[in-house]
Amino acid sequence: EPEVTQTPSHQVTQMGQEVILRCVPISNHLYFYWYRQILGQKVEFLVSFYNNEISEKSEIFDDQFSVERPDGSNFTLKIRSTKLEDSAMYFCASSNGGARGALHFGNGTRLTVT
Amino acid sequence: DQQVKQNSPSLSVQEGRISILNCDYTNSMFDYFLWYKKYPAEGPTFLISISSIKDKNEDGRFTVFLNKSAKHLSLHIVPSQPGDSAVYFCAASVGSNYKLTFGKGTLLTVNP
Repeated sequence: EPEVTQTPSHQVTQMGQEVILRCVPISNHLYFYWYRQILGQKVEFLVSFYNNEISEKSEIFDDQFSVERPDGSNFTLKIRSTKLEDSAMYFCASSNGGARGALHFGNGTRLTVT
Repeated sequence: DQQVKQNSPSLSVQEGRISILNCDYTNSMFDYFLWYKKYPAEGPTFLISISSIKDKNEDGRFTVFLNKSAKHLSLHIVPSQPGDSAVYFCAASVGSNYKLTFGKGTLLTVNP
């Protein structure tokens, strides 16, 4: 079964550094998402992306965050200047948009900001 | 923000018995509900969903019930198996988008 792939599985970075989290969505999917889960808290929506542009973003997704689909297969989340509170598990997800089929999530990247 | 609430952080059941996981929501605009299962070190995996026009959806051992008047849904797993041990998330959305609002999850442990 096709799956969403995320790299790296764990990223450690220093506060103030830029970090890029990478995702390869399922190949025929058109809708892409980033969610995050801070330890002990809920999974939270960050951003959705369709047709090469952001379709919706949450209040968490401020100017420090950006997303990009640089080629036909990758989908990236960039955090420009990381803060301690950005430490979380970041999940990429994709869907084919059909009949409210479910999102397919990757296994996540654990980001630790020190 | 407690729009989706799973009030039981954990549940323990015996193999072969029924597991019932509960979820409440406050936003009456939600019209689509999903359950996800999550194993450690993996992403959430879709389990089953239900539209607000239905009150029940069944898929094998898994059944989701929706009570719109009570703003409550439940997931029934019958019979429960040790492999069902995982964290179960309830999620909801408005309209046809995929901006899901998740509950905090319930850790289900199925004992052999």
